[in-house]
Amino acid sequence: ETGVTQSPTHLIKTRGQQVTLRCSSQSGHNTVSWYQQALGQGPQFIFQYYREEENGRGNFPPRFSGLQFPNYSSELNVNALELDDSALYLCASSTRGGEDYGYTFGSGTRLTVV
Amino acid sequence: RKEVEQDPGPFNVPEGATVAFNCTYSNSASQSFFWYRQDCRKEPKLLMSVYSSGNEDGRFTAQLNRASQYISLLIRDSKLSDSATYLCVVNDDYKLSFGAGTTVTVRA
Repeated sequence: ETGVTQSPTHLIKTRGQQVTLRCSSQSGHNTVSWYQQALGQGPQFIFQYYREEENGRGNFPPRFSGLQFPNYSSELNVNALELDDSALYLCASSTRGGEDYGYTFGSGTRLTVV
Repeated sequence: RKEVEQDPGPFNVPEGATVAFNCTYSNSASQSFFWYRQDCRKEPKLLMSVYSSGNEDGRFTAQLNRASQYISLLIRDSKLSDSATYLCVVNDDYKLSFGAGTTVTVRA
């Protein structure tokens, strides 16, 4: 059983640029959620995808967008990067209806905006 | 008000000690509860689910009080390897709400 994999592991971007982060969900999981974790804080929910549609969204502006593909993998896109977007971005997969068993997180993408 | 509030610590304890900490959550309709462990610059990993009846996993005991909206974690016989940040997590339908974490350092 493969776990959740994210790419790239580290990334440096310039303010105003756009970035795409990728996530492959754990085998057997059909739901992908994205979280942003700033230094010293807990992860904050960005959005969730189920059956290729956004299933819920946290308090993030529209320049944060995403996709889910038929194989359940997912992308997080951030446009017009700001310095405050510097954070660890975590992808978590789960089985819809199986949330009581927790989520499996990828190792994250550490984004630095300069 | 934050959805999940935790005592940030840090808790600095000797090996073999018992350490306990807790969190509170704001949404009385929250459905399921967890403790996650996060090592420095790594992803969170599920430590254990938390049930109203209380549950143990080896040296770890978790407790949920729905009436008070309070969750606790107790670690007995602390090991050096228990040094980490412990995240209190509440599942509200489609999302997880995390506390900011409680840092525990176990010293030799």
